[in-house]
Amino acid sequence: DAGVIQSPRHEVTEMGQEVTLRCKPISGHNSLFWYRQTMMRGLELLIYFNNNVPIDDSGMPEDRFSAKMPNASFSTLKIQPSEPRDSAVYFCASSFLGINQPQHFGDGTRLSIL
Amino acid sequence: DQQVKQNSPSLSVQEGRISILNCDYTNSMFDYFLWYKKYPAEGPTFLISISSIKDKNEDGRFTVFLNKSAKHLSLHIVPSQPGDSAVYFCAARGSQGNLIFGKGTKLSVKP
Repeated sequence: DAGVIQSPRHEVTEMGQEVTLRCKPISGHNSLFWYRQTMMRGLELLIYFNNNVPIDDSGMPEDRFSAKMPNASFSTLKIQPSEPRDSAVYFCASSFLGINQPQHFGDGTRLSIL
Repeated sequence: DQQVKQNSPSLSVQEGRISILNCDYTNSMFDYFLWYKKYPAEGPTFLISISSIKDKNEDGRFTVFLNKSAKHLSLHIVPSQPGDSAVYFCAARGSQGNLIFGKGTKLSVKP
């Protein structure tokens, strides 16, 4: 079974550029989560969707960050314009919506903004 | 303010002995807790979970204990193996299904 698939695995770009991170959740899962991991703050939730609808985006750090889930099998996290402090590992996770269902993570996108 | 705390950033254990990883939380409304294991350059992998209606859950070498009155949970690995060397994250489920993670404990199991 394919797990959560994220692309790209690594992204290096210059500040000011637009960055788009992609996620394909596990087939059948109906909740999707975007996390960011940094040394200072650990793993923090940015936004999550239930049945393709954004439920809570309070973790999105600034208006430069946006996320979409146009269908059940695809989501994007976009940063525009990017800044060096956005450098981190970004994880996508998915789960079944329901009680006591663990989230399953992708392998992350390591983002470096120069 | 951290709602889920892992106060030990690292732990070193000899192969074959028990590893005990600890986690404290502040919100008594949390009702579901999980442990994840993470290797470098990979995403966190779900390991074991426990509902607040239980005080123990066991899966092979891994056992999670929950002490609700102390707002404390622990993960026991016995016997520890070198392949268990990884970062372990404790997480609690928030009111809307989101997970709140601790900052992790790096476990090193020495042969």
